Amino acid sequence: DGGITQSPKYLFRKEGQNVTLSCEQNLNHDAMYWYRQDPGQGLRLIYYSQIVNDFQKGDIAEGYSVSREKKESFPLTVTSAQKNPTAFYLCASSITTGADSPLHFGNGTRLTVT
Amino acid sequence: KNQVEQSPQSLIILEGKNCTLQCNYTVSPFSNLRWYKQDTGRGPVSLTIMTFSENTKSNGRYTATLDADTKQSSLHITASQLSDSASYICVVPAPGNDYKLSFGAGTTVTVRA
Repeated sequence: DGGITQSPKYLFRKEGQNVTLSCEQNLNHDAMYWYRQDPGQGLRLIYYSQIVNDFQKGDIAEGYSVSREKKESFPLTVTSAQKNPTAFYLCASSITTGADSPLHFGNGTRLTVT
Repeated sequence: KNQVEQSPQSLIILEGKNCTLQCNYTVSPFSNLRWYKQDTGRGPVSLTIMTFSENTKSNGRYTATLDADTKQSSLHITASQLSDSASYICVVPAPGNDYKLSFGAGTTVTVRA
């Protein structure tokens, strides 16, 4: 079955540590995204990538970094510079970045930083 | 200010009953509006998309409506089932940006037996 796989499902880290969240897709989609979901708020875009070896900052990129070395993979690193990293992180992909393309989401990684 | 507002924030209904969720948006010009269903602890899944020319669209027991004049959409759930318990999110693309989407905060629906 085609889809998006995020791992791990739960992640616990101490303050000051960098952590990398994995996102892999086998949908052959060109575009991939990282969103952050906090209670009572809409999803907020962290980074997106339209094609391999290219990515752009979203609305809340500070304290995060990404890479897109392969079409299938779009890992997100949460650095120690992110002031409030505890959240639910969702990776998504779409055929293109066009407004008509639905997003296909992974099942998220819940990151807790103490 | 968020360009997509949803109401109510949450609701509880008995199994078998109907309910309606509201989405108001201010994005202009408008291209489309999509409803997603998000089960607890999982990623959202697209339910339906409404374009400018569509007033009503059904997907099983889910019926979405769109009033582009008042910039409102609703999602009606008929004969609710326990599996309908989820968060329902309304999403509208920002004009001029292919990647930019405005997400509502969602309505959490709890269906009780």
